[in-house]
Parts: sequence; structure tokens; C-alpha cells
Amino acid sequence: AQKITQTQPGMFVQEKEAVTLDCTYDTSDQSYGLFWYKQPSSGEMIFLIYQGSYDEQNATEGRYSLNFQKARKSANLVISASQLGDSAMYFCAMREEGYSGAGSYQLTFGKGTKLSVIP
Amino acid sequence: NAGVTQTPKFRILKIGQSMTLQCTQDMNHNYMYWYRQDPGMGLKLIYYSVGAGITDKGEVPNGYNVSRSTTEDFPLRLELAAPSQTSVYFCAIYVGGSGYTFGSGTRLTVV
Repeated sequence: AQKITQTQPGMFVQEKEAVTLDCTYDTSDQSYGLFWYKQPSSGEMIFLIYQGSYDEQNATEGRYSLNFQKARKSANLVISASQLGDSAMYFCAMREEGYSGAGSYQLTFGKGTKLSVIP
Repeated sequence: NAGVTQTPKFRILKIGQSMTLQCTQDMNHNYMYWYRQDPGMGLKLIYYSVGAGITDKGEVPNGYNVSRSTTEDFPLRLELAAPSQTSVYFCAIYVGGSGYTFGSGTRLTVV
């Protein structure tokens, strides 16, 4: 079974509108972290936001927020007021911090969602 | 990306050739990782290291080897290159908390 599932290969959003990118995860660890990265066409990996499994409040970073629903094992990224520069690939990733992670701090990535912002 | 340097940035290999992808960090961190990213896909872990002299396999280690003789360097070796190894390779380090620093990547084509 995939540990990180991103079901939207591609998404379109009108400039200035909000968009939600879906991410579900699978882990038996009680302690884990969820990440979102942006990869523009230039190829670099840009960190956007982090949510710890014990964090009670949803994480926010500027226009980015993470809609964390622990019972449903989902960690959706919400981008508000989309900009043309938001057009990129977006990856959800998980770090398992219990037995599954075994102290290696490795990240497991989903397949990504390609977001296109329309003027 | 400051802190993690990957070389080369691009390389074309013929089937059966070998090469080493270099990764160097100047941040003195223990945890280092090699990922590959196939076209239109996410990153998959090849190998990782938790410190000098300690390495372990990730999800897709076949066809690769690593070594970690110093904290700074974590080279990835490809022996007998195959077309299936055409990919973009990223080196990354864990800097603590939610922080990871990725290199700018090496784009490898095997023909």
C-alpha cells in the first residue's frame, strides 16, 4: 500500500482563487510529520509547510495552510489567493518517527499534483 | 541551494558505463539522503546515511552503491548504467525539526 497518496495528477485554478490539493497517508506510527513541497519547472524542492501528528492546530504559513484531519489520515494543502507563480508540482511527504521510521528521519513522497494557475 | 552541492548537474551515460554522483554539505549534519525522481513522479529514496561510516538501503537501492567516509561527502555510485536509471537525482540533508535541505539535482540520461 502506498504510504502517501495524491489523487489529483493535475489541477487548474483561476488566479486569485483558493485551491485545495489532496493528500492522504498511511502509517501505524503515532508520531509522524507531514510536509508539503513545491517544485517549480526549474526543479528545486521548496519547503512550504509542516504539520506534526501531535499538533492540535492546523499549520499555516502565509498563503499556505494545511488541513489536517488525523482520523481520516488526510493532510490537504490549501493555497489561498493563487498567483501565477504558484504554477508548479506539489508534493506531499511524510516522516515516520516511531518504529517505522527507526530514527532515520527519511521522507516518503507522494507522486505529486501539477497545479496550473490560469490568468 | 546553499549547504548542499551536487555535481555534475547534467550527465549522459552509455549503457554499461559507471559514474559517481557527488554530494557535499558544508553544514556538518549527520543525516544524508539520495533520492531519484522519475519524470512526472515523486521522489524515491535510494540510500541514506545517519553518519560517517553508516549507510542503509532505501526503497530503490538496486543498481546503486554509496559510501560515507566523512560527514561532508555522500557519493552515489552507479555501476553498469541502465536506461531505467535515467532520472533526476537529489541529495538531501536533515538539518533538524522540520528542516531538510535539498541539492539542486543531477539530471542523468542513460542511452
